[in-house]
Amino acid sequence: EIVLTQSPATLPLSPGERATLSCRASQSVGGYIGWYQQKSGQPPRLLIFDAFNRANGIPARFSGSGSGTDFTLTISSLEPEDFAVYYCQHRSAGSGYTFGPGTKLEI
Amino acid sequence: EGQLVESGGGLVQPGGSLRLSCAASGFTFSASSMIWVRQAPGKGPEWISYIDKRSSVIYYADSVKGRFTISRDNAKNSLSLHMNSLRDEDTAVYYCVKDMWERFFDFWGQGTLVVVSS
Repeated sequence: EIVLTQSPATLPLSPGERATLSCRASQSVGGYIGWYQQKSGQPPRLLIFDAFNRANGIPARFSGSGSGTDFTLTISSLEPEDFAVYYCQHRSAGSGYTFGPGTKLEI
Repeated sequence: EGQLVESGGGLVQPGGSLRLSCAASGFTFSASSMIWVRQAPGKGPEWISYIDKRSSVIYYADSVKGRFTISRDNAKNSLSLHMNSLRDEDTAVYYCVKDMWERFFDFWGQGTLVVVSS
């Protein structure tokens, strides 16, 4: 079973700053990583799929990169509405879906 | 993007049963694989079950296998989750989710809260 770890657990930043969030897989997952944003009281929302593709309606300030075991979500210039929890996620073929523990982006 | 609306959550005693429903609209439900995901208070999301568009492929997480049953009715654009032998640790918000390419979670309902407590 593939395990995803995320760092840091908490990332304190200010609006306008650049955010870099990390996700590491316990073994290679190719490029099959998704990133989700979850605001308080709301369901998660898909931001990035296949490591670097933005989902419909996601602003260009969100970008994803990486392959194999190491992945990064970058928010180029933080807006006030970006402060939330971010999860990475992977599904192994013929198996279940796995989430990382999350990174809380806080002001 | 379509819409998913869950219902059926509530308070249930340990060992009890509950049936969750999800009404889908705004997309071709019969062509979509569907998923249930739950999130315990203060925790991250946990995938619990997957069903393909024809109900021919079904997966469960080990944490619910043998206790929960996923099903769908394409004629009614409806997804269900029958939950038996409920435990305290099943307390969570349960989300209905549209699958994307059998790899990602496309869009989510607002969720329904299940509380297992005596």
